[in-house]
Amino acid sequence: SAVISQKPSRDICQRGTSLTIQCQVDSQVTMMFWYRQQPGQSLTLIATANQGSEATYESGFVIDKFPISRPNLTFSTLTVSNMSPEDSSIYLCSVGQGFNEQYFGPGTRLTVT
Amino acid sequence: AQSVSQHNHHVILSEAASLELGCNYSYGGTVNLFWYVQYPGQHLQLLLKYFSGDPLVKGIKGFEAEFIKSKFSFNLRKPSVQWSDTAEYFCAVNANDYKLSFGAGTTVTVRA
Repeated sequence: SAVISQKPSRDICQRGTSLTIQCQVDSQVTMMFWYRQQPGQSLTLIATANQGSEATYESGFVIDKFPISRPNLTFSTLTVSNMSPEDSSIYLCSVGQGFNEQYFGPGTRLTVT
Repeated sequence: AQSVSQHNHHVILSEAASLELGCNYSYGGTVNLFWYVQYPGQHLQLLLKYFSGDPLVKGIKGFEAEFIKSKFSFNLRKPSVQWSDTAEYFCAVNANDYKLSFGAGTTVTVRA
């Protein structure tokens, strides 16, 4: 499976600011995804990061709040904009490989004060 | 859209005990089924998966799961747990489109 890294691993941010999370894969992959795991809850898909085109967002998530870039087949960024304490979560990047399988990065733990 | 429910929020058991975690999904079409595990301080790892064929699938570390289509279930089992199986376990499904829907997760604590 692909090796996935994320930066930063954790951060504490002030409300109203933005944070960009990076996801790097050690091989070219077609499908990349961003998930959120709020405290005590399960993972929720934010969007599919499409290479060369706009990301595809799930219901409840919008581009203005979570802009995503995918400049090539090994890298993607997720920005959490105008943060509030409700955005405190773990944000995970994943890649699709094989037959509908996904592999996950280590996650970025974000705390908004 | 698919939804996934896991019956147990927290399971506590002793080493060598048997483990079974329930997972039910709701979706009328063909699904792919997964169990992921997250050990303390580590990232999410794929434990096992079912796409088609034999409904009893074996994964890593002695885990297995059985797909029962009539019950929309995909329960995870291990005959004899170890302390190192302490982790959070997530059931997930997708419908041939990579997008995963996750259950709420079950925290398993194994006492030595």
